[in-house]
Amino acid sequence: GAVVSQHPSRVICKSGTSVKIECRSLDFQATTMFWYRQFPKQSLMLMATSNEGSKATYEQGVEKDKFLINHASLTLSTLTVTSAHPEDSSFYICSASSGPRVPGGTYEQYFGPGTRLTVT
Amino acid sequence: GENVEQHPSTLSVQEGDSAVIKCTYSDSASNYFPWYKQELGKRPQLIIDIRSNVGEKKDQRIAVTLNKTAKHFSLHITETQPEDSAVYFCAALIYNFNKFYFGSGTKLNVKP
Repeated sequence: GAVVSQHPSRVICKSGTSVKIECRSLDFQATTMFWYRQFPKQSLMLMATSNEGSKATYEQGVEKDKFLINHASLTLSTLTVTSAHPEDSSFYICSASSGPRVPGGTYEQYFGPGTRLTVT
Repeated sequence: GENVEQHPSTLSVQEGDSAVIKCTYSDSASNYFPWYKQELGKRPQLIIDIRSNVGEKKDQRIAVTLNKTAKHFSLHITETQPEDSAVYFCAALIYNFNKFYFGSGTKLNVKP
């Protein structure tokens, strides 16, 4: 399958600072990238969907001014957690997709390895 | 938005037995239902999927069934093996909306 990288894998920051997480599709062009938060009891929560060259679509309850998403190219999307607080500590995971191969077909999304954010 | 519920949260079976994981969804417009397997320390990977115009799909020991009327779909694993031990997620998608909504996950433990 396709390869998606995420950087950094772990980051510790102080409360009030900002952190940028990068998600890259290494061997394919991703028209869509998804950002998720994975909670300790396993659940993957969709935060936002970003399409290359356009503004991200945020899910209800996700603050767009706090979680800035940029999808500047077909291989890179970034998530910036601004003015981080301890409650933002979580596991953030991205996925990249080029959509279904055929209309109504398998919709493959390839996940990055995730970023563990700890805000102290 | 869509709400996907998944049960059970944990499931232990003996090697060779079958395992069934069930999900329900709320939005009747959802038309694509993938299942992912996440092994410890690894990223989720797609294992099987089903579209809303299909009632059942099989791939070797894995099958998925969909009941559109009742808005539920299930993952069936037969002849389970220890390597099937992982967390399994169901998800729902509306193709046009381009958003995946995940269930809460099921931790499957296959005992040798």
